[in-house]
Amino acid sequence: AQSVTQLDSQVPVFEEAPVELRCNYSSSVSVYLFWYVQYPNQGLQLLLKYLSGSTLVESINGFEAEFNKSQTSFHLRKPSVHISDTAEYFCAVTTTGNQFYFGTGTSLTVIP
Amino acid sequence: DAGVTQSPTHLIKTRGQQVTLRCSPKSGHDTVSWYQQALGQGPQFIFQYYEEEERQRGNFPDRFSGHQFPNYSSELNVNALLLGDSALYLCASSLDGGSYNSPLHFGNGTRLTVT
Repeated sequence: AQSVTQLDSQVPVFEEAPVELRCNYSSSVSVYLFWYVQYPNQGLQLLLKYLSGSTLVESINGFEAEFNKSQTSFHLRKPSVHISDTAEYFCAVTTTGNQFYFGTGTSLTVIP
Repeated sequence: DAGVTQSPTHLIKTRGQQVTLRCSPKSGHDTVSWYQQALGQGPQFIFQYYEEEERQRGNFPDRFSGHQFPNYSSELNVNALLLGDSALYLCASSLDGGSYNSPLHFGNGTRLTVT
């Protein structure tokens, strides 16, 4: 079975400062990795994904994540956050695409 | 392009009752998965439906059952409700029976409160 650990439950950060949200996973087989974002009273939206190839993947709104196989990590970063980035962020893994395993989430609060 | 729609948005039930939640997948999607998200937790996989059959199931009791219709819409049924069933229930759709190449598209969820 797979599992995901998000090490920080809450991350406050000032506007325009950099941020890193940490994600570690456990699996005995190869996995595909995802970050989802959840705004208040909404469902989850895909932010970015790693399937294969380059270990650095980017989203359209400035987030990036790097797959590190040796450290079994997929940390999410943004060099300069905006107020609108305030949301809950979930890291997820799957081996087949049928069942996704989610972490417990990291609440990112951007402070003006 | 309609996304994933779920109904109702909120529901209050009493212990021991039964509940049915409904989901219409994103246009063009044929696979529906259901997740339970307890307060302060990440979503937990309940099951996935494809071609009107339960394709895969997570670690949930038989009180949780589902159905997929020919138009790909789906229902989640929960019998003998417990207080611990209170959660946000998320429906997610995807393509081709669930492929890592077809990420999940989530609805806004149904908030179930059991009293």
